Amino acid sequence: EVQLVESGGGLVQPGGSLRLSCAASGFTFSSYVMNWVRQAPGKGLEWVSAITGSGDGTYYADSVKGRFTISRDNSKNTVYLQMNSLRAEDTAVYYCAKRGSGSLSSYFQHWGQGTLVTASS
Amino acid sequence: DIQMTQSPSTLSASVGDRVTITCRASQSITTWLAWYQQKPGKAPNLLIYKASSLESGVPSRFSGSGSGTDFTLTISSLQPDDFATYYCQQYNSYPYSFGQGTKLEIK
Repeated sequence: EVQLVESGGGLVQPGGSLRLSCAASGFTFSSYVMNWVRQAPGKGLEWVSAITGSGDGTYYADSVKGRFTISRDNSKNTVYLQMNSLRAEDTAVYYCAKRGSGSLSSYFQHWGQGTLVTASS
Repeated sequence: DIQMTQSPSTLSASVGDRVTITCRASQSITTWLAWYQQKPGKAPNLLIYKASSLESGVPSRFSGSGSGTDFTLTISSLQPDDFATYYCQQYNSYPYSFGQGTKLEIK
C-alpha cells in the first residue's frame, strides 16, 4: 500500500524559512516523479513543484521559483521542500503527491494527508 | 502557461440527479486531463485520468469525456457521498494547473 506522510509544517514569520518532508513507502520510490501541491485556506489547489526520480530534473510554479527548492533522498525514500523568504500568501496546506504508474501517467494518483504552513507575524 | 477554467463554480443538485461539470483549457492538452474529488479537511482523491479513464475503485457513475480544450465530468446518478468539490487538472506540460473547483451542494 502506498503511503505518503508529510511533516515539518508550522508557524513561521514572513521572511522566514521552513523545510517540509514527505516520507514514502509501498512503492519503488526512486522510479517516480514526486510533487508538492498546496491549498490556501478556503481556496483551490495549486501545483508547486516536481522532481524526477533521479533528482536531476526539477520544476516550479512561477509563484515559488527562486524561493523554494525541491530535493529528494532516495536512500531515505523522502522528498523535501525547502521554503525560504516565506510570504503570507504561502500560507496553505502542503500535500505531497505521487504520479501514476507508466511513462505518460503524470496525474496525481496518491496523496499524503497534508501539512499546514502558516506564514504570519 | 495553460489556464484551466471550470464551470459552474457551484452546483446545487439532488440525490439521483445527473450532473455535468465542464473544464476548458486555454490551449490544447489532447487528453492529458485528470479529475479529482475533495471533501472538507481531506486530500483530493483521483477519479478520472487521461480524460476518460476511470481510476480503480471509483464508482462507474463517474465518467469523463473530451479532448483538446473542452472536457466534462458527469455523475450519472448523484449519491449522498458525492457532495464535495471537484477539480480538473492538466498534466500536458509544466507548470501543471488546476481548475478553480466546482462545489457540488445538496439542493
